[in-house]
Amino acid sequence: QVQLQESGPGLVKPSETLSLTCTVSGGSISSYYWSWIRQPPGKELEWIGYIYYSGSTNYKPSLKSRVTISVDTSKNQFSLKVNSVTAADSAVYYCARGLYYTPFQHWGQGTLVTVSS
Amino acid sequence: DIQMTQSPSSLSASVGDRVTITCRASQSFSSYLNWYQQKTGKAPKLLIYGAASLQSGVPSRFSGGGSGTEFTLTISSLQPEDFATYYCQQSYSTPWTFGQGTKVEIK
Repeated sequence: QVQLQESGPGLVKPSETLSLTCTVSGGSISSYYWSWIRQPPGKELEWIGYIYYSGSTNYKPSLKSRVTISVDTSKNQFSLKVNSVTAADSAVYYCARGLYYTPFQHWGQGTLVTVSS
Repeated sequence: DIQMTQSPSSLSASVGDRVTITCRASQSFSSYLNWYQQKTGKAPKLLIYGAASLQSGVPSRFSGGGSGTEFTLTISSLQPEDFATYYCQQSYSTPWTFGQGTKVEIK
C-alpha cells in the first residue's frame, strides 16, 4: 500500500519561501499525478497544483506566479515551493497521488505550516 | 474556474438516519465528481469517484449519484464513525476545485 509523508519547516517568515517535500513509499513515483493541496485551519480544501511523473506541471492560476512543483524520481519524492509567502499561506499542506480524473486517491497525513515573523 | 457549492453546510442527524448531501457545479459535466470524508485532524479519504463508483474498502451504505450540475452523496444508515465533514471535488477541468464542505454532526 502506497504511503505519502510530507516534511519541511513548520514555521516560515513572511516574504520567504515555503519548501515542502513528499516522500513516497510502497510504490513508484512513476505513472501517476502527484498533487499538493492545502487547508487553512477551519477552512476548505484548495488544490495548489500537480506534477505528472514525466515532469509536466499544472498550477492553480491564482498561485501560478509563486508556486513550483518538482519531482525527483531517484528519491521517490516530489516537492513544493511557494515564494513570497504571507499569513494567508498558513495552512495544513497535503500531498496526494492519483489518476487524472481521480487525482486524490491517496493522501499524506498533512503538515501544518505557519507564516509568522 | 468551476465553483462547487454544497448544501447544507452542516446538518445534525441520528445514528440510523438516511442523510443526503448535495453538490452543485457552476457548469455542467458528466461524471468527473469525487466525494471525500474528513475527520478532525486527519487527511481526507476518497469515498466515491466518477460520481457513483465506490472506492475500494468503503462501506456500501455510502452511495453517489447525479450528473450535469447536481450531484448527491447519500449515507443510507448513519453510523457513529460517519460523523465527519464531507467534500465534493470536480475533476472535469483544472483548476480542480472542492466544495466548501458539509459537516455531519450528532443530533
